[in-house]
Amino acid sequence: AQSVTQPDIHITVSEGASLELRCNYSYGATPYLFWYVQSPGQGLQLLLKYFSGDTLVQGIKGFEAEFKRSQSSFNLRKPSVHWSDAAEYFCAVGAPGGSYIPTFGRGTSLIVHP
Amino acid sequence: EAGVAQSPRYKIIEKRQSVAFWCNPISGHATLYWYQQILGQGPKLLIQFQNNGVVDDSQLPKDRFSAERLKGVDSTLKIQPAKLEDSAVYLCASSLGLIGSNEQFFGPGTRLTVL
Repeated sequence: AQSVTQPDIHITVSEGASLELRCNYSYGATPYLFWYVQSPGQGLQLLLKYFSGDTLVQGIKGFEAEFKRSQSSFNLRKPSVHWSDAAEYFCAVGAPGGSYIPTFGRGTSLIVHP
Repeated sequence: EAGVAQSPRYKIIEKRQSVAFWCNPISGHATLYWYQQILGQGPKLLIQFQNNGVVDDSQLPKDRFSAERLKGVDSTLKIQPAKLEDSAVYLCASSLGLIGSNEQFFGPGTRLTVL
């Protein structure tokens, strides 16, 4: 079975600074990988996903993530954080084929200081 | 395009009471999911429907939880009787179909507090 680890519960950055949120997965082959964002009181929104091909994936809101097979990682990055990026971020892994059920990590809470 | 609708947004009940949540997916989406999100954790899948059939309910506590999607459109999740540990946000999501590349769209969730 697949699993996801997000080692950072909270991350604090200053507005305008760069951001990297860590995600490590466990799966026997190349999984489907996702990053979601959840703002307070709202449902999850997909930021980006990786299924195959180019290991650097561009998403919405200026986010990108890089799949590194050797490190079993799929870290999320943004070069310059805006105050509106403060939210909960979830990494998820899914098994290719079949019913596509992502397993979510526990989430990382991003705090942005002015 | 209207998103996934859920109601109520908040519910407070006493333990051993019953509660029901409603979800209306995006029009045309065949697949519907119910997730439980406990505070400080990621969402956990409870049940997945394809049209009005159950695809996966392996993590649904069937002694107290039930769900239906009778006409293949909207869905109801019920808890009877509720326990303290059921306090969570219940998220509904939908997607066009099952196969991997379909994006899930999430509703705003129902926050349940069991006292």
